[in-house]
Formats: sequence, structure tokens, C-alpha cells
Amino acid sequence: DAGVTQSPTHLIKTRGQQVTLRCSPKSGHDTVSWYQQALGQGPQFIFQYYEEEERQRGNFPDRFSGHQFPNYSSELNVNALLLGDSALYLCASSLRSGDYNQPQHFGDGTRLSIL
Amino acid sequence: GENVEQHPSTLSVQEGDSAVIKCTYSDSASNYFPWYKQELGKGPQLIIDIRSNVGEKKDQRIAVTLNKTAKHFSLHITETQPEDSAVYFCAAPLGYGNKLVFGAGTILRVKS
Repeated sequence: DAGVTQSPTHLIKTRGQQVTLRCSPKSGHDTVSWYQQALGQGPQFIFQYYEEEERQRGNFPDRFSGHQFPNYSSELNVNALLLGDSALYLCASSLRSGDYNQPQHFGDGTRLSIL
Repeated sequence: GENVEQHPSTLSVQEGDSAVIKCTYSDSASNYFPWYKQELGKGPQLIIDIRSNVGEKKDQRIAVTLNKTAKHFSLHITETQPEDSAVYFCAAPLGYGNKLVFGAGTILRVKS
């Protein structure tokens, strides 16, 4: 049973560029959430996708956007990269159950470095 | 919004001793509290969670307790082993729909 998989594992970009990160959820899960984890800090919620729509959003600018595909996989896009966007980007999947909180399972993340 | 405070930030214990990490949350409507373990170069791994209708949950050497009145919950690890060394995060939901707010993390070092 494959867990959450993310690609690529590492990425180096320069300021102003754009980046796309990818996530495949755990088998049986239909909801994908994205988090940003700066060095030495806890993950911060970016947004969540369910049924191919953004359902919730954290306190991130609209340079951060996403997409969910019919097979439940997801992409995170970041435009006009800033030095402060350097972080570990984590994808978590879960099974939607209305408003009832379901366990979220994380992938190993994509380490994004901005030069 | 939800705010989660976690203490201590670092914890060193001798192998075989117990470790306790505490978290407090602000939103009284929160009803689900997971704990994650993160090893170097890996993503957070869910190790145990508790819902607000129970006060304690155990899984082998790991237990979580919840005090809804005081709005705090704790992770207890007994008989610690070197492989328990990692960063541990508590979390609580912000409103509905699985949006988690994380604590700042606790670095646990188990000395052999």
C-alpha cells in the first residue's frame, strides 16, 4: 500500500521563477492538503483540495495556487519566487468525511531552495 | 484563530526513562488532536491521535492525554529508546475540515 508520494525531492530555483510540485495521495484518500515547513518550525497550512476544488486556504498570497486531478493527485504552483519561499513543502492526504477531522498522512516533502 | 503552544522545545532523557511533551490550544471547539514524529529528511509521521470524547489513548509505549477543560493535551513516551530521538509536533484543527495548526515542535534526544 503506497503512502503519499511527492516529487521532486529537491529543487533549486532563482528569484522570480515559477515552480510546480507534485503529490500523489495515499491509496483510498480523496483529499489533499499542502503545508509549508520553514527550517526549525512546524508545518503551516497553505490550502486543501477536495473534488478538484480548493476548499480551504491558509494565510498565503495568491502567488500560491494549486490543482487537483480526477485521480486525486495534486500540484502546488508558486509564481514569482521569493527568497522567503525556501522551505520544505509537504503534502498530506486524508479521507473526506464532512466536517469530521480525519487523520492526515504526510509525504516526505519537496525541499525548495531559492537562490 | 487556533493557536497551539508546545513545551519544552528540547528534551533530553536517558534511555529507558519517560518523556512528556505538553501542548495547549486556544479554540474550545477543537475536537481532534494528532501527534506527529519527524525524523531528519522525512515528513511528519502520525504516531497517535485522540478525539475529544476520550481522555486518554494508549498504543504500546505511547499515550496521549487530553484535558478539555484546561485545553491541553500531552504525549507520554515510556521506556524511551534511541530510535525515539526525533522532532515531535502536536497539532489541533482550525475550525472544520482538517486544517491543522501545528505547535513549534520538541526535539527529543534519547541518550544511551
